[in-house]
Amino acid sequence: GAVVSQHPSWVICKSGTSVKIECRSLDFQATTMFWYRQFPKQSLMLMATSNEGSKATYEQGVEKDKFLINHASLTLSTLTVTSAHPEDSSFYICSARDKETEAFFGQGTRLTVV
Amino acid sequence: AQSVTQLGSHVSVSEGALVLLRCNYSSSVPPYLFWYVQYPNQGLQLLLKYTTGATLVKGINGFEAEFKKSETSFHLTKPSAHMSDAAEYFCAVMKAAGNKLTFGGGTRVLVKP
Repeated sequence: GAVVSQHPSWVICKSGTSVKIECRSLDFQATTMFWYRQFPKQSLMLMATSNEGSKATYEQGVEKDKFLINHASLTLSTLTVTSAHPEDSSFYICSARDKETEAFFGQGTRLTVV
Repeated sequence: AQSVTQLGSHVSVSEGALVLLRCNYSSSVPPYLFWYVQYPNQGLQLLLKYTTGATLVKGINGFEAEFKKSETSFHLTKPSAHMSDAAEYFCAVMKAAGNKLTFGGGTRVLVKP
């Protein structure tokens, strides 16, 4: 199957700094990418849907200025957590779609804000 | 709005025993249905999916699931559990092709030797 690479796998940052997470589709072009957040022992919560070349669509309750999403090419989307705080600590997962009913997931990024 | 319900947040099975994970959805039309597996600190891996056609779907690692429209269910089974099956399993639905996935709450499977 198709491969989605997410980087970094884990990151620790200081409160108030910004962190960028990259999501790349390695062997296919992804017109749509999704960003999820997962709290411990919980399901995935969709944060936003990202389409190449256009603004991301955020889910209700997700702060657009806090979680900046850029999808500049068909193989790369980035999520930047701005002015991170401890409550932003979580597991972030991206997903990329090649066909309309097939989505492939990155390996996730564990963010810890101290 | 769609919803996905996974009965049982934890399931414990003995190695070699049947694995049964339940998933029910609410949708006005039959959606596309998926089962994913997640190992600790990793992303999700697709086990199997139903879009159209045969209602019994076979996936990877010996798993299969049956779409039952009358019961709005898509339960996941594996005849004989292996230690490597210990993981978190998520059922998900997609209302139509190109739409976003809606996930169930997940079921954690523990396999006892």
